[in-house]
Amino acid sequence: EAGVVQSPRYKIIEKKQPVAFWCNPISGHNTLYWYRQNLGQGPELLIRYENEEAVDDSQLPKDRFSAERLKGVDSTLKIQPAELGDSAVYLCASSFLTRDTEAFFGQGTRLTVV
Amino acid sequence: ILNVEQSPQSLHVQEGDSTNFTCSFPSSNFYALHWYRWETAKSPEALFVMTLNGDEKKKGRISATLNTKEGYSYLYIKGSQPEDSATYLCASYILTGGGNKLTFGTGTQLKVEL
Repeated sequence: EAGVVQSPRYKIIEKKQPVAFWCNPISGHNTLYWYRQNLGQGPELLIRYENEEAVDDSQLPKDRFSAERLKGVDSTLKIQPAELGDSAVYLCASSFLTRDTEAFFGQGTRLTVV
Repeated sequence: ILNVEQSPQSLHVQEGDSTNFTCSFPSSNFYALHWYRWETAKSPEALFVMTLNGDEKKKGRISATLNTKEGYSYLYIKGSQPEDSATYLCASYILTGGGNKLTFGTGTQLKVEL
């Protein structure tokens, strides 16, 4: 069974440019997370979906970040325009909707804004 | 405790040494405690998911304990090997007004040297 797939693995863009990340979760997982990890810190939740509904986006900087999960499967995370401080690893994870089930992570997208 | 906190931040040990890390988390609204191992250039992988006070779990040379009343968990590695070198993340799964939430600590970076 394929794991969580993210693309691209790496992205370098100039500030003020737009960027998008894509995530394909494990088949059947109804919960999808986007996390951001800054250097030396733990992953920080940006948004959590249950099926196609964003149930927790309180940490998503809505002025420049947007996300969607059409049909409750794949998801995209977009930044427009990117700022230098957005350089980080963006992780996608998925799980079944139960409290004691582990999350499965993709390999992440390392974004560098120059 | 308001956030998930891990200590130490980093650790260098010799091959064969035993070691342990601490994860502290808010005990209110607690549902589950996750431990993940994150090796460089790979995805974080779940080691344990624990829910009950007093839980102890073991996988090979790695074990974990959980105290939900005081809000801490310990991860132990017996006879560390170079392949144990990784960042170890804990995450607390809690119920919030917006639904369940998985919140990560900043991790403990373990380096096992020959």
